[in-house]
Amino acid sequence: DIQMTQSPSSLSAFVGDRVTITCRARQYIDTYLNWYQQKPGKAPKLLIYGASSLYSGVPSRFTGSLSGADFTLTISSLQPEDFATYYCQQSYSAPPTFGQGTKVEIK
Amino acid sequence: EVQLVESGGGLVQPGGSLRLSCAASGFTFGNYWMHWVRQDAERGLVWVSRINSDATDTIYADFVRGRFTISRDNAQNTLFLQMSGLRVEDTAVYYCARGGSGYSVDQWGQGTLVTVSS
Repeated sequence: DIQMTQSPSSLSAFVGDRVTITCRARQYIDTYLNWYQQKPGKAPKLLIYGASSLYSGVPSRFTGSLSGADFTLTISSLQPEDFATYYCQQSYSAPPTFGQGTKVEIK
Repeated sequence: EVQLVESGGGLVQPGGSLRLSCAASGFTFGNYWMHWVRQDAERGLVWVSRINSDATDTIYADFVRGRFTISRDNAQNTLFLQMSGLRVEDTAVYYCARGGSGYSVDQWGQGTLVTVSS
C-alpha cells in the first residue's frame, strides 16, 4: 500500500491568512492526488483532484500543486467556513490511501 | 443534486453479519464506479471496496477480503455492502461514495455507524 504523509497534523490560523498543507507519497503516484475537506460530524468533500484541478463548486481560494515530491493544498485567504480537517488521498493504485489529516483551527 | 443515503448500520456482536445499503439519486447511477470507505478515530479514512459500473469487477482492501461483499442493483440505484465475520476493529462510520477519476471519490453519503461489540 502507498503510504501518504501529511504535514502539519494541525495548525492554527487567523481568518484571512494564507494556509499551506503538504502531502507526500512514499511511492510514485504521478498526479493522482486528491484533497478532501471534512467538518465535524460530516462526510468529506472533494476539493481538488488530479493534484491541481478544482472540483465543481469549490471556491477558487483553494489551489493544489506539485513541487518536486510534495503535493500542496493552499488556501489563499482563510475563511471562517474553512476551519476543518483536510485529507490527501492517492488514487494512483489500489488500494487508494489517505493521509492522516491536517486539522485547521481558529487562532 | 447528487444524494447518497446509507442505511443498515447498527450494533452487532463479533462474528456477526450486517448489510449496508446506499440509495443513490440525482445522477445516472449505472454509469459510475462506487466505493465504500470507512472512518474511525484511530485509523482515519480507510478505503474498503470498489465495484465497477456494471458489477463485473470488484476489489477489496486486504483486511476485508473474504468477509465483505460489495454489490449493486443498477435498476434500483442501490449499492450494498454485505459484511460477515465482523470484528471489533470493523467498528467505524461507513461511507458510500461515488467514483470520480481513477480511485478518487467525488461525492459521499452521510455515513452509517457500525459498532461491533459484545
